[in-house]
Amino acid sequence: KAGVTQTPRYLIKTRGQQVTLSCSPISGHRSVSWYQQTPGQGLQFLFEYFSETQRNKGNFPGRFSGRQFSNSRSEMNVSTLELGDSALYLCASSLRLGTTEAFFGQGTRLTVV
Amino acid sequence: EDKVVQSPLSLVVHEGDTVTLNCSYEVTNFRSLLWYKQEKKAPTFLFMLTSSGIEKKSGRLSSILDKKELFSILNITATQTGDSAIYLCAVELRGTGTASKLTFGTGTRLQVTL
Repeated sequence: KAGVTQTPRYLIKTRGQQVTLSCSPISGHRSVSWYQQTPGQGLQFLFEYFSETQRNKGNFPGRFSGRQFSNSRSEMNVSTLELGDSALYLCASSLRLGTTEAFFGQGTRLTVV
Repeated sequence: EDKVVQSPLSLVVHEGDTVTLNCSYEVTNFRSLLWYKQEKKAPTFLFMLTSSGIEKKSGRLSSILDKKELFSILNITATQTGDSAIYLCAVELRGTGTASKLTFGTGTRLQVTL
């Protein structure tokens, strides 16, 4: 069965722009979590969605937002991009709420210039 | 503040060696501890540990959790070059209701040389 699919794989944006990243979970998985990975901070939790509702949120500014659709696909949006937003953004899906045995996508590499 | 600390930060070993990776944590609302292997981009799931003292094994890899001392170890025996990767430890924290989130350590970069 298909894994977690993230698009696009790579993205270059300029400061001040906004960006939308997409994540399609494994078929049948209803929970989607988003993480930011940087060399200095490691993997940091952004938020988790289940049944189209945000269920948990990490310590990121309001510029980071997300949503989940009825088919469990999720999007993450970052507005007013800053250089420090350059990172690998990973999405993970799991069968039910909670990140137990979460399966990760390949990530979107965002570079802000 | 919830904290997950992995050691060593990086490690270079020869093929055939045995390695032990460490993960200690200080968190509230512990639910489970997970190990992932990250080779290029997508971390791949290795183990989930919820109970102290019960070893989980998968081939040459094994892991155990000590909930009293708040740490876990990941052992890899007879290492191979294909084991070269970043090994991530994550603690699952109980959130509101049944929600939870993973707090990751910064990882241990393992390089296995011939």
